[in-house]
Amino acid sequence: AQSVTQLDSQVPVFEEAPVELRCNYSSSVSVYLFWYVQYPNQGLQLLLKYLSGSTLVKGINGFEAEFNKSQTSFHLRKPSVHISDTAEYFCAVSDGGSNYKLTFGKGTLLTVNP
Amino acid sequence: GAGVSQSPSNKVTEKGKDVELRCDPISGHTALYWYRQSLGQGLEFLIYFQGNSAPDKSGLPSDRFSAERTGGSVSTLTIQRTQQEDSAVYLCASSLEGVVSPLHFGNGTRLTVT
Repeated sequence: AQSVTQLDSQVPVFEEAPVELRCNYSSSVSVYLFWYVQYPNQGLQLLLKYLSGSTLVKGINGFEAEFNKSQTSFHLRKPSVHISDTAEYFCAVSDGGSNYKLTFGKGTLLTVNP
Repeated sequence: GAGVSQSPSNKVTEKGKDVELRCDPISGHTALYWYRQSLGQGLEFLIYFQGNSAPDKSGLPSDRFSAERTGGSVSTLTIQRTQQEDSAVYLCASSLEGVVSPLHFGNGTRLTVT
């Protein structure tokens, strides 16, 4: 069974600083990879996804992530964060052969301070 | 259009009572998921419905948990003889087609078992 590890439960940063949220998954077979974001008092929403093709994927609000098959990682990055990026970020993985079962990590709380 | 709607938003119940949680997915979405979110534990997959196919119930933690989806639309998650460890936020999500389409999450039902 798939597992997802988000190495940092909390990441505090200052506004306009760069940020990287780390995500590693367990399986080396074909996978689909996702980042979901949960803003305060809102439901989760899709930030970006990797299904195939280019290993660098871009999402909403200036975020991007890079799929690294050899390191089984899918780290999320943003070069300059805003106060409004404060939220909980969840990495998720699905076996490429399964179009429905998403396994989520425990989440990383990103807090952007002025 | 309307998003995924869940009711009630909060439910407090006594240990041993049965509870029903309701989910109204986005119209036209064939896939429907239930997840459980406990503090610091990320999202735990419970059950998946796809169209008229048999649901994947592999994530249900015990036989006290059951779910149904009527007419390919509204879903109800039932927990019988609730226990304190059932306390969590129960999230429903729907998508057009499995995980390759974005999952749209409701705001959840916060269940507290006293």
